[in-house]
Amino acid sequence: KNEVEQSPQNLTAQEGEFITINCSYSVGISALHWLQQHPGGGIVSLFMLSSGKKKHGRLIATINIQEKHSSLHITASHPRDSAVYICAVDLGNQFYFGTGTSLTVIP
Amino acid sequence: EAGVVQSPRYKIIEKKQPVAFWCNPISGHNTLYWYLQNLGQGPELLIRYENEEAVDDSQLPKDRFSAERLKGVDSTLKIQPAELGDSAVYLCASSSEGTDTQYFGPGTRLTVL
Repeated sequence: KNEVEQSPQNLTAQEGEFITINCSYSVGISALHWLQQHPGGGIVSLFMLSSGKKKHGRLIATINIQEKHSSLHITASHPRDSAVYICAVDLGNQFYFGTGTSLTVIP
Repeated sequence: EAGVVQSPRYKIIEKKQPVAFWCNPISGHNTLYWYLQNLGQGPELLIRYENEEAVDDSQLPKDRFSAERLKGVDSTLKIQPAELGDSAVYLCASSSEGTDTQYFGPGTRLTVL
């Protein structure tokens, strides 16, 4: 059993749609990261959360520590948002990664 | 904008030999991280620099590992002597002050024979 479960694994959306990617975890964590990887590109850390909600442009990340659940939302999606989004939980000195969600936004 | 640059991309050495990895962070990023990633596992932080100061090196095996960031820009991670168990991917990442976003380099895959 994976310590981190992500859903959906694959997601196709029309440009402009509101997108939600979910992450559930089973271990105690010090923080949770949402990562983005474009095809052939490096990994970029979008958010680090330990509680509540963070917003950066069209991206919103929320976390519920009691429920061990986090969501990444993309508003007004755009083709350039097409990438793999990875949830990673931080145990202080080690990460556990989710399997990733491959997002394709169609013009 | 250029990303985080690491070299070499691959390195194969015999055990007991020394090895060094180099990282050039994104221009203007004052925080630099070195991670170790074993196959099938997530990255483990080895050391974090704020400018030229190592602010977190608690996970760095100091008997054989050393790192430096003398001018607060690029950094070198060294292993001397290397052991078989050091075979892994060594990732470098950087971030700018006041942000959570870490940008990762492509990594150096080390194989110790």
